Amino acid sequence: AQTVTQSQPEMSVQEAETVTLSCTYDTSESNYYLFWYKQPPSRQMILVIRQEAYKQQNATENRFSVNFQKAAKSFSLKISDSQLGDTAMYFCAFKRVQGGSEKLVFGKGTKLTVNP
Amino acid sequence: GAVVSQHPSRVICKSGTSVKIECRSLDFQATTMFWYRQFPKQSLMLMATSNEGSKATYEQGVEKDKFLINHASLTLSTLTVTSAHPEDSSFYICSATKPDGSPFYEQYFGPGTRLTVT
Repeated sequence: AQTVTQSQPEMSVQEAETVTLSCTYDTSESNYYLFWYKQPPSRQMILVIRQEAYKQQNATENRFSVNFQKAAKSFSLKISDSQLGDTAMYFCAFKRVQGGSEKLVFGKGTKLTVNP
Repeated sequence: GAVVSQHPSRVICKSGTSVKIECRSLDFQATTMFWYRQFPKQSLMLMATSNEGSKATYEQGVEKDKFLINHASLTLSTLTVTSAHPEDSSFYICSATKPDGSPFYEQYFGPGTRLTVT
């Protein structure tokens, strides 16, 4: 079974600075998808960024980028120029490539606080 | 867009009663819908996966007779908590997969329903 580990329960960063959230996973699959979701205080889950395992190039979405190290099974999220609105729980998630019925496996989350 | 709604957003019920939560995909037909439970300050725990017209697939440890899932159409899935007890109090979130040809089969999440059993 796949597992996702987020070793940082809480982190804080000053506004405008950069922060990196860690995620490691365990799988025997060679191809899969990885995701970072954000859950602000409203509790609405929002997709931040996604990565296909067979693509070596790291995904980037504006201020958000990932460092995907397939051999190390590591998938960290870097947030640049942190904003107050980035304050949220961040969940790393794994999904096998098996079609639309395939479930997401979530990590336990990292609570990020951006301080003014 | 891909919007998923849930109703109600909050519900309070008495112990021993049943409560139904609806999950709707508003602007797309969902091939699959998922139901999650989230305790305070914890991650999402998948309860079950449902496909339209089929019986739901429950995760290990989830009581299928207590958490009834009905996926009646491509836009509606319901979760009924039967004979609710205070320990069923939680935040319930649904998500739906949009068949747009994307290999990711991205899950679009509803806003969640807070259930309180008194």
